[in-house]
Amino acid sequence: QSVLTQPPSVSGAPGQRVTISCTGSSSNIGAAYDVHWYQRLPGTAPKLLIYHNTNRPSGVPDRFSGSKSGTSASLTITGLQAEDEADYFCQSYDSSLSGVVFGGGTKLTVL
Amino acid sequence: QVQLVESGGGVVQPGRSLRLSCAASGFTFSNYGFHWVRQAPGKGLEWVGLIWYDGSNKYYADSVKGRFTISRDSSRSTLYLQMNSLRVEDTAVYSCVRDLGTYPASYFDFWGQGTLVTVSS
Repeated sequence: QSVLTQPPSVSGAPGQRVTISCTGSSSNIGAAYDVHWYQRLPGTAPKLLIYHNTNRPSGVPDRFSGSKSGTSASLTITGLQAEDEADYFCQSYDSSLSGVVFGGGTKLTVL
Repeated sequence: QVQLVESGGGVVQPGRSLRLSCAASGFTFSNYGFHWVRQAPGKGLEWVGLIWYDGSNKYYADSVKGRFTISRDSSRSTLYLQMNSLRVEDTAVYSCVRDLGTYPASYFDFWGQGTLVTVSS
């Protein structure tokens, strides 16, 4: 069981908006540790999508955005495209565990 | 281009040892810290540990502390994971990951494809 909780799956039609949640606790996200998001396409290594809660690396479309509030964070994808179909996971740090922690991952299906 | 290529995985009996390597290329190896991350079959990602850019600090997950050791050789641009006293629950794909942040504010910009370690009698 992952320290950070994500929904196992989400889906949306092309052009729609989807949001993936990442719920933590007072020892990780709630303790002001930043959240980072990754996209993993089938058979490929994860790609950094969002860092420090809201920042996009160069080359990541602005359709991808991140937010954080309290003990949770969210990844929002607008204008959904077929190529967005992938697994998405969040990552942070946990002070009780003294280590990096991950979400269990969310599979996005584009209908 | 940046590449991280792991090797050294395989099948090993419980209680035995194995050393994984991660060969880096396409960037200045000594400028970055690195982590090892693993994913057991059907499970989520689990952080294994980290070594600072200069090797001066290392941190480990409780599940591997005292059994696993991370090291690096800048002359070879290679990261290592020495795994001793292996357990069945250590079975996983192990990946090396480049840290773009500063621990504990780590985040990862490049991941290797991983090498499979199977611990079984």
